[in-house]
Amino acid sequence: EAGVAQSPRYKIIEKRQSVAFWCNPISGHATLYWYQQILGQGPKLLIQFQNNGVVDDSQLPKDRFSAERLKGVDSTLKIQPAKLEDSAVYLCASSFSASATGDTQYFGPGTRLTVL
Amino acid sequence: AQKITQTQPGMFVQEKEAVTLDCTYDTSDQSYGLFWYKQPSSGEMIFLIYQGSYDEQNATEGRYSLNFQKARKSANLVISASQLGDSAMYFCAMRHTGGFKTIFGAGTRLFVKA
Repeated sequence: EAGVAQSPRYKIIEKRQSVAFWCNPISGHATLYWYQQILGQGPKLLIQFQNNGVVDDSQLPKDRFSAERLKGVDSTLKIQPAKLEDSAVYLCASSFSASATGDTQYFGPGTRLTVL
Repeated sequence: AQKITQTQPGMFVQEKEAVTLDCTYDTSDQSYGLFWYKQPSSGEMIFLIYQGSYDEQNATEGRYSLNFQKARKSANLVISASQLGDSAMYFCAMRHTGGFKTIFGAGTRLFVKA
């Protein structure tokens, strides 16, 4: 079974530029998550999708971050314009269904973003 | 408010010995789930083990076991017979029923010495 795919793996941009990340979840997984992990910290949830609807985006900086999940499968996360503090690893995860406490999330390899 | 605390920023263990990584949590929910993930230097988060709040027995998965003490709100990870490949960051996480959001602790970096 294929895991969660993410691209690119690394990205370096100048501040005020825009950037987009792509995620393809495990087949059959209804729930998709985007996390931001700043160096030395645990992952922080940015947005959670159930199929193609948003379940939680309370910690997404909506003035600069946006995300969509087309047809309930692939997802893209965009930052426009980027700030220095956006430098982090962006992790995508998927799970079968978020409606149970035991629903396990499986993570992709992450995208390491550096904003100069 | 829900919270996960991992008080050990770094831990050292000798190869082949057992090690315990601490995790305490705070929640007012009765139904919740506790997870441990491993993050090697490659960056990918790898699921290790899960414990439900109503599970009476401690979870085990191979060399990993979860020492669940509900009254103390602790969910410590025990790794038996440590291997060099166990060197990584380890994160404790909790999912609660209110929105089924998962929160992560700050992590513990484990160093396994040969």
